[in-house]
Amino acid sequence: GNSVTQMEGPVTLSEEAFLTINCTYTATGYPSLFWYVQYPGEGLQLLLKATKADDKGSNKGFEATYRKETTSFHLEKGSVQVSDSAVYFCALSDLGYSSASKIIFGSGTRLSIRP
Amino acid sequence: GAVVSQHPSRVICKSGTSVKIECRSLDFQATTMFWYRQFPKQSLMLMATSNEGSKATYEQGVEKDKFLINHASLTLSTLTVTSAHPEDSSFYICSASPGLGDTQYFGPGTRLTVL
Repeated sequence: GNSVTQMEGPVTLSEEAFLTINCTYTATGYPSLFWYVQYPGEGLQLLLKATKADDKGSNKGFEATYRKETTSFHLEKGSVQVSDSAVYFCALSDLGYSSASKIIFGSGTRLSIRP
Repeated sequence: GAVVSQHPSRVICKSGTSVKIECRSLDFQATTMFWYRQFPKQSLMLMATSNEGSKATYEQGVEKDKFLINHASLTLSTLTVTSAHPEDSSFYICSASPGLGDTQYFGPGTRLTVL
């Protein structure tokens, strides 16, 4: 079945460092891919998404490109801030054409940014 | 933006009792709601999908008689954990979708502790 594998954490970086969180997926068909973020004490928020191969999702300085050839959707940010400290989840949608899609999540990566 | 609330945010109960968790979409109608379970430092695992006015669809391995889901209106779904045991202690998260496709809005979660 469909699955998502992402880099284990925790990841600790200094402010302004470059961030990469790796994510690969296994899926039949052409799922949409997502990155969700969970800030301390809050619910999940959609950070960015890409719906087809070679699409690039971006938001708040974060980017990820849908790579079908490597089945990857790595999250990157050029210069992280303390406020980026959170848990990041890579996910894919199991598209239901007659209903809302199921979302399958990776295990999450905890990111901590030092001032 | 779309807001989903959950109540209560935390609940502690004795073993053998039942606990009801509410999930509400505050500013949109949710034709589909999803219930997830998240163990500490692990990912979200989908438990069930519920469509307004019909029976929930449970994922493999989830006991439907133990986790009762009701989606009585387009803005409210409830999850009742019946005869709760310590192993049911977890973080329960709901999400709501306004219709077809892969957009889901997540609630802040409910932490259940069974003594």
